[in-house]
Amino acid sequence: DARVTQTPRHKVTEMGQEVTMRCQPILGHNTVFWYRQTMMQGLELLAYFRNRAPLDDSGMPKDRFSAEMPDATLATLKIQPSEPRDSAVYFCASGPHAGEQFFGPGTRLTVL
Amino acid sequence: KQEVTQIPAALSVPEGENLVLNCSFTDSAIYNLQWFRQDPGKGLTSLLLIQSSQREQTSGRLNASLDKSSGRSTLYIAASQPGDSATYLCAVFPTDSWGKLQFGAGTQVVVTP
Repeated sequence: DARVTQTPRHKVTEMGQEVTMRCQPILGHNTVFWYRQTMMQGLELLAYFRNRAPLDDSGMPKDRFSAEMPDATLATLKIQPSEPRDSAVYFCASGPHAGEQFFGPGTRLTVL
Repeated sequence: KQEVTQIPAALSVPEGENLVLNCSFTDSAIYNLQWFRQDPGKGLTSLLLIQSSQREQTSGRLNASLDKSSGRSTLYIAASQPGDSATYLCAVFPTDSWGKLQFGAGTQVVVTP
């Protein structure tokens, strides 16, 4: 049963610390997306990749967020320095093409 | 700009009743439409994908229809069960925004025993 996996599932950190979230997309999927979900804003698209190349990261605060795909089996989302307003659930999704997405279980981030 | 609306925002039904969830979108230029389910504290689970050329898609007790010209999709869940309690999200893939899903706010469903 192919699934998107994310680590860690939960992260509590202090303001100013670096946070790294990892995602393993479903094998063979060529699109990868990072989303953030909060009660106030709902689901927001942060960045996405096609064939490991970044296509759009306009949803990310550029000064503190960065997204990369070092290889086809790993996508990372980094926040440095983290702030309390970054507290949210971060989802990774992958898709076999542009018209379908499968979501991971999410990383629940709390920044104190 | 594509906007996706889901009505009602919340729904409570007794077990056994059929569920009807509505989704509307403002621009008919879509590639696909995907229905998701989200349980509290969990990720999104894909339920059904309807391609723009299709009118409906079925999986078990779930049936989703798509009327692209009128900008509507409906998710039907037959003979609801308490385990169907969740938030249901509709999302469209606009043709002018490669791969970028546009989500509705969701319908929160409670099925009472």
